[in-house]
Amino acid sequence: DAGVIQSPRHEVTEMGQEVTLRCKPISGHDYLFWYRQTMMRGLELLIYFNNNVPIDDSGMPEDRFSAKMPNASFSTLKIQPSEPRDSAVYFCASSPVWRERSGTGELFFGEGSRLTVL
Amino acid sequence: AQSVAQPEDQVNVAEGNPLTVKCTYSVSGNPYLFWYVQYPNRGLQFLLKYITGDNLVKGSYGFEAEFNKSQTSFHLKKPSALVSDSALYFCAVRDIRPGSARQLTFGSGTQLTVLP
Repeated sequence: DAGVIQSPRHEVTEMGQEVTLRCKPISGHDYLFWYRQTMMRGLELLIYFNNNVPIDDSGMPEDRFSAKMPNASFSTLKIQPSEPRDSAVYFCASSPVWRERSGTGELFFGEGSRLTVL
Repeated sequence: AQSVAQPEDQVNVAEGNPLTVKCTYSVSGNPYLFWYVQYPNRGLQFLLKYITGDNLVKGSYGFEAEFNKSQTSFHLKKPSALVSDSALYFCAVRDIRPGSARQLTFGSGTQLTVLP
C-alpha cells in the first residue's frame, strides 16, 4: 500500500484565496483525521471521520474551514477565505477500526501539506 | 478528557549515551499509548505502542518505552543514541473505550538532538 497520500505538498497563496487540501487514506481504514501543526500550537486535531461521517469537528478553528469525505478513499479540507494565520502544515491520517483483540490503535500519517498564506 | 504532557521541549545527548524522552498521561480507563517520530519536512512515523501486557515495549530503530501505571508515565528510551536519532518525538494517547472519542491526543513534542 502506498500509505496516506496528501496533495499538494506545498501551497503558497495570497490572503483571501480559497485553498483545498486533499487526502487519500489507506484502503480499508475506517477513520480519517485532519491535524494542523504549527510552532506555536503544536499538533491540533481539526476534525475526524468514521466511515465517511464527520464525528467531531470541534477543533475546526472557524467557519472558514470545512472538511468533506464524499467516499472512503478521498477527503478534502477547504479554507475559504484563507488568512496568513492559517499558515501551517496540515496532516491527514487514517487508522483501521479498533477491535478489542486485534486492533492496532496507531494512526498512519501522510507527509503533510505545507500551506503558506501571504 | 485525555491528555499527554512532555515536560522537556529539548533533550540533548551525546552519541553513544543512553537517551530518555519523558511522557506522562492522563486518561479515564486503560491508556493506549504511542510514540511517534517526525523528521524534518516529513510526516509522523509510528515508533511503538503500549496496549496491554508487558510494561516494557520494544519498537523500531532500537527504541523502547516503559509503561508505569502508578506514575502514569510512558518514557521513551534507547540504550545508545545515534546522530540519526535527532528528530522531534511525540507521545500520544488514544482512548478506545466504546463510545469514546477515539482520536489520538498528542503531547507538545520533544526535540531530540544527538551530538557527535
